[in-house]
Amino acid sequence: ILNVEQSPQSLHVQEGDSTNFTCSFPSSNFYALHWYRWETAKSPEALFVMTLNGDEKKKGRISATLNTKEGYSYLYIKGSQPEDSATYLCAFRGYGGSQGNLIFGKGTKLSVKP
Amino acid sequence: NAGVTQTPKFQVLKTGQSMTLQCAQDMNHEYMSWYRQDPGMGLRLIHYSVGAGITDQGEVPNGYNVSRSTTEDFPLRLLSAAPSQTSVYFCASTIADGGNSPLHFGNGTRLTVT
Repeated sequence: ILNVEQSPQSLHVQEGDSTNFTCSFPSSNFYALHWYRWETAKSPEALFVMTLNGDEKKKGRISATLNTKEGYSYLYIKGSQPEDSATYLCAFRGYGGSQGNLIFGKGTKLSVKP
Repeated sequence: NAGVTQTPKFQVLKTGQSMTLQCAQDMNHEYMSWYRQDPGMGLRLIHYSVGAGITDQGEVPNGYNVSRSTTEDFPLRLLSAAPSQTSVYFCASTIADGGNSPLHFGNGTRLTVT
């Protein structure tokens, strides 16, 4: 059974702090790694889809890196703001089968205190 | 552009009752899927479809049926509801079954089975 682990489970930071969290996934048969942001009472929204080892993606103050050989991805938030408070999900897809193989981690819940 | 629309937003059922959760998208996406979200668990795939007339099972398909008669609609049927099906259900779609395109999620249906 493929496992996607996210750490930490939750994180509390002060406004202005920079923070990062980790997504670990199987290092074999890698196809794609997704990051989503999920605000309370809303639906998940895509941040990044990463497919190449060494990939780095950036959207405003949020960036992500990918290491497919060792099976991890980092999500960084620079200068956290209260509106960054959300659960951040990663999802792994391996080769073979359809997107039915997209496996989600349990998420990292970020709380940013003003 | 409405995106992915789910109805109803909330539903309470008695054990043994049946119902259909509706999902429609107006983005001409080929791939559609249903997930359930339970406390302490990641999003788990119930069923998915890679195009009209094609459906397949995900990780947790038991107790649920789907059909895909049009590109736009992907209803999820509970034939005989059980308390274990109390959950939040999300419908999601993406352009095609490529793995490197992000999912677009509906706003969710919160289902309680008593």
